[in-house]
Parts: sequence; structure tokens; C-alpha cells
Amino acid sequence: GEDVEQSLFLSVREGDSSVINCTYTDSSSTYLYWYKQEPGAGLQLLTYIFSNMDMKQDQRLTVLLNKKDKHLSLRIADTQTGDSAIYFCAESLNAGGTSYGKLTFGQGTILTVHP
Amino acid sequence: DGGITQSPKYLFRKEGQNVTLSCEQNLNHDAMYWYRQDPGQGLRLIYYSQIVNDFQKGDIAEGYSVSREKKESFPLTVTSAQKNPTAFYLCASSPLGRYGYTFGSGTRLTVV
Repeated sequence: GEDVEQSLFLSVREGDSSVINCTYTDSSSTYLYWYKQEPGAGLQLLTYIFSNMDMKQDQRLTVLLNKKDKHLSLRIADTQTGDSAIYFCAESLNAGGTSYGKLTFGQGTILTVHP
Repeated sequence: DGGITQSPKYLFRKEGQNVTLSCEQNLNHDAMYWYRQDPGQGLRLIYYSQIVNDFQKGDIAEGYSVSREKKESFPLTVTSAQKNPTAFYLCASSPLGRYGYTFGSGTRLTVV
């Protein structure tokens, strides 16, 4: 079955790096995503990685994927107070499955950045 | 500007009433989704639709209904059968078979 797990809270100091971790159970995942949600708003797609990649970098964001351990992480370099938000990881499955097109989300990690 | 619009932003419902949440997109996306968000529980899928006049139940469909009469629109009705409807409701859309969803800004429903 599909299950995505994240730790609920992360607190960092401004200027430090943040690392948000996620584990998933479905080995047939095709894409894995990171979304950001600010208070009272919808989710904003930050980045995604295809399952045959190990790493993807996009400005301050680095995504690492360990397929063997089914572990995904998001590193935010030089974290700013504006990065304070809830971060969700999500997986989508193979096109051949009945879950095609659906995303399964983790519970979200609340990132708090202190000045 | 293309996007996905949810209305209203805040909605109050009395016990025993049905209410309908609106979701409209002008992105020409085939698929649309409704999620419910509760604190500490992430997003749970209520219903989704991949084509006009067809939709599928998600993980928590009981007490909800949807329609998909137009590609652009996917309204969600929260019926009186939904025992705990107070939550933040998010609508999303995506092209079929492509990466990522576009989300609306959400509707916060409160039962009074």
C-alpha cells in the first residue's frame, strides 16, 4: 500500500541549513515531490524528482533520493524566516496502477526558522 | 493568468445543512481533486475526476458528493451525513500523466 511518513516538527536558526526527511513505502513510485504550504494558503510545488535520479539541485534546494531505503530528503541552504511553513512530501505511482495520477501526501513537517 | 480558484475562502455551516464548495480552473487540466486537511494529518483524498462526467471516490468520500459537468469545474458538496466537516478543503488540478498538482488557496469550513 501507499504510505508516506515525515517527522512533524523542525526548528532551525536563520542562516543554517534545514533538512526535512521523508520515507515512503511504495517501490513503484515514479515521481516524488516537495510542496510548501504557508499559513491559510494552498500548497505550492517546490520541486520534484524522478525515481531514476539520485539528486536534484535547484538554487537553495537540494533533493536527495535513496531508492534502496525509500528515503527522500529536502535540504534548504541558508534558511530564511520566509522559509517558515509546512513542507509536504508526496509520491505518485506508475501509470499502469489504479492509483495513476493520484498523489499520496505525508503528514507535513512544520519548519520554524528563528532569527 | 491561468490558475485554480476556490470559493468562498471561509464558510460557516449549521448542523444538518448541506454546503457546496466551488473549484474552478482555467489551466485546461483534465484531472481535478479534492483534499481535506486536518492539523497533524496531512492531506486526505476525498474525490477525484480524470475526465468530464466521471469521478472516483478517494480515501474519505463518505458524507461528500461531487459533480464534473464541465472540464473547468469540480464542486464539492459537504452533506449533513458528514459527521465532522470542520476542516480546510483544498482543490487541485493536473494534466493527466504529468508531474505535480496546482492547488487552489483553500476553503475553511466551520460548523456552528
